[in-house]
Amino acid sequence: DQQVKQNSPSLSVQEGRISILNCDYTNSMFDYFLWYKKYPAEGPTFLISISSIKDKNEDGRFTVFLNKSAKHLSLHIVPSQPGDSAVYFCAASGSNTGKLIFGQGTTLQVKP
Amino acid sequence: GAGVSQSPSNKVTEKGKDVELRCDPISGHTALYWYRQRLGQGLEFLIYFQGNSAPDKSGLPSDRFSAERTGESVSTLTIQRTQQEDSAVYLCASSLDLRSYNEQFFGPGTRLTVL
Repeated sequence: DQQVKQNSPSLSVQEGRISILNCDYTNSMFDYFLWYKKYPAEGPTFLISISSIKDKNEDGRFTVFLNKSAKHLSLHIVPSQPGDSAVYFCAASGSNTGKLIFGQGTTLQVKP
Repeated sequence: GAGVSQSPSNKVTEKGKDVELRCDPISGHTALYWYRQRLGQGLEFLIYFQGNSAPDKSGLPSDRFSAERTGESVSTLTIQRTQQEDSAVYLCASSLDLRSYNEQFFGPGTRLTVL
């Protein structure tokens, strides 16, 4: 039972354009959502998060949008840079255990 | 060393052997988590610690898996009688406490290969 899903295994965009990564969840008890970025042979690093009481959070080139009625969130990267090429994981949390439920990841390639 | 460290970085073992994986969290972080990532899949939650206590062990895949934490610091994940399906990258993370908004800092992982 996959509670957090990233249906696109990969995405390729041109440098300078927008990257949009999508994530869907099924558990309405989730109240905190995060995006992590992972390079090969390294652990994931935190990128941006959003609480369920908000619908948008922005940090520099990164914006996360949350649509609770659709149980959907997305990460926008504008403008995309080659250094953004990595695997992006969506994660969700609830009940203040800190336990994160991750999606399968989307590999982003930004072409120069 | 300011980050989460894990050892060994790579472990190759034969089916049926026991393995022990170690995690050193960031000093002062009371919460510690173990995840694993099988090839081509997302991260799968295994267990978390608040201090030295593990309130929820339901994420452990089988009774061959166990974990402990001592001194609110180092944690070890032990896999007994390893099977080929245990092959994965095992990741440890720590955070200030269990509250969701506290960032989890991940270590580089231990790549376990069971032959």
